[in-house]
Amino acid sequence: KAGVTQTPRYLIKTRGQQVTLSCSPISGHRSVSWYQQTPGQGLQFLFEYFSETQRNKGNFPGRFSGRQFSNSRSEMNVSTLELGDSALYLCASSLATGSEQYFGPGTRLTVT
Amino acid sequence: AQSVTQLDSQVPVFEEAPVELRCNYSSSVSVYLFWYVQYPNQGLQLLLKYLSGSTLVKGINGFEAEFNKSQTSFHLRKPSVHISDTAEYFCAVSPAAGGGATNKLIFGTGTLLAVQP
Repeated sequence: KAGVTQTPRYLIKTRGQQVTLSCSPISGHRSVSWYQQTPGQGLQFLFEYFSETQRNKGNFPGRFSGRQFSNSRSEMNVSTLELGDSALYLCASSLATGSEQYFGPGTRLTVT
Repeated sequence: AQSVTQLDSQVPVFEEAPVELRCNYSSSVSVYLFWYVQYPNQGLQLLLKYLSGSTLVKGINGFEAEFNKSQTSFHLRKPSVHISDTAEYFCAVSPAAGGGATNKLIFGTGTLLAVQP
């Protein structure tokens, strides 16, 4: 079965712009989590969604937001981009709490 | 709150030698423990996980890890490494059921395993 897909894979944006990243989980998975990976801060949790409800949120400013649709697909949005938002954004999906989480290949965002 | 410490940022090892990657964690509640591997320009792949039961956990690609509750450790081991094992390895924890229903993972800073011929 198809794995987690993330679109786009690469993105270049200018400071001050906004961006939307998309994640399609494995079929049947209802939990989607987002992570930011940077060389300086490592892997940091952004949000977790389960059945369209945000169940958990990491310590990020309000410029970072997300949502999950009824088909479990998820999007995250970053407004007013800053240079420090340049990162690899990873999405993971799972069947339920404690189940194995499957990660997508990530979206590489570069802010110039 | 939980935290994870991977003391070794890089571990060089020769091919066919054994390796151990160290992971220690801190948590006020019971946790699930995971090891993930990340190859260049790719996402994370789960190597193994500890949820409960036997403290020795076997994973993919010949890796295993042992959960030690008294030492709050979850070290990853492989008896004989290959060039293809060169990658970044991340230890992670998440609260166990009863400690808050969440899939939130707290990651360590990663260990680069560099296998040399």
